[in-house]
Amino acid sequence: KAGVTQTPRYLIKTRGQQVTLSCSPISGHRSVSWYQQTPGQGLQFLFEYFSETQRNKGNFPGRFSGRQFSNSRSEMNVSTLELGDSALYLCASSPDGLAGGILRGTQYFGPGTRLTVL
Amino acid sequence: QKEVEQDPGPLSVPEGAIVSLNCTYSNSAFQYFMWYRQYSRKGPELLMYTYSSGNKEDGRFTAQVDKSSKYISLFIRDSQPSDSATYLCALTNTGNQFYFGTGTSLTVIP
Repeated sequence: KAGVTQTPRYLIKTRGQQVTLSCSPISGHRSVSWYQQTPGQGLQFLFEYFSETQRNKGNFPGRFSGRQFSNSRSEMNVSTLELGDSALYLCASSPDGLAGGILRGTQYFGPGTRLTVL
Repeated sequence: QKEVEQDPGPLSVPEGAIVSLNCTYSNSAFQYFMWYRQYSRKGPELLMYTYSSGNKEDGRFTAQVDKSSKYISLFIRDSQPSDSATYLCALTNTGNQFYFGTGTSLTVIP
C-alpha cells in the first residue's frame, strides 16, 4: 500500500508570491491534516479536512488555506508569502478523522514539502 | 506562555540505557497525550497515546501522564541505535486543537 505522498518535495519562492502544496493520502483515508514545522516553533497544526470539509483549524492567519477534493487529495495554499513562512509543511492522513487516527494508531505522515521563502 | 514545553536536548546515551523524555503543559483541559518519533528527513510517526492520567506500555516504550503536575514522560528501555531520532510530545483536548512540543533530539551510541 502506498504511503502519504507530498509534492513538490522542495520549493523556493520569493516574498509576496503564493504557493500551493499537494498531499495525496493513503488509499481509503478520508482525513487529511496539515502541519507547519520550523526549528523555532516546532510542529504546529494548521487544519484538518474530512470528506471535503474543513473540520478543525489551528491558529494561523487567513493567508493559509486549504481544500480537499472528492478523491481525498488535499491542497494547501499560502498567499502573500513572508520570510517566516519558510518551513517544512507536513500532511498526515487517517481513515476516519484525525482524532480517530490517533486513537487507533492509523495516522500517517508524509515526508513533507520544504518551502524556502527568499 | 506556550501550551506545551519540551526540553530540546540534545540527549546522548549509550546503547542499553533507559531514556526519559519529558514535557510540561499549561492547560488542564488536555485529555489526550501523544508521542511521535521523527527520523531525520522523514515525517513524524505516532508511537503511542495516553488518555488522562496513568501509564501505558508498548514494548520498550512507556508513556506516563501526571495531570496533577501537568507533566508527561516517555521512557525507552534498553535503548537501541535505531531509537536515535527526534521525539515530539503532543496534546489535544477534544480533538479539535493539537499542540506539539518542539521535540527532543536523541542519539543512542552503540
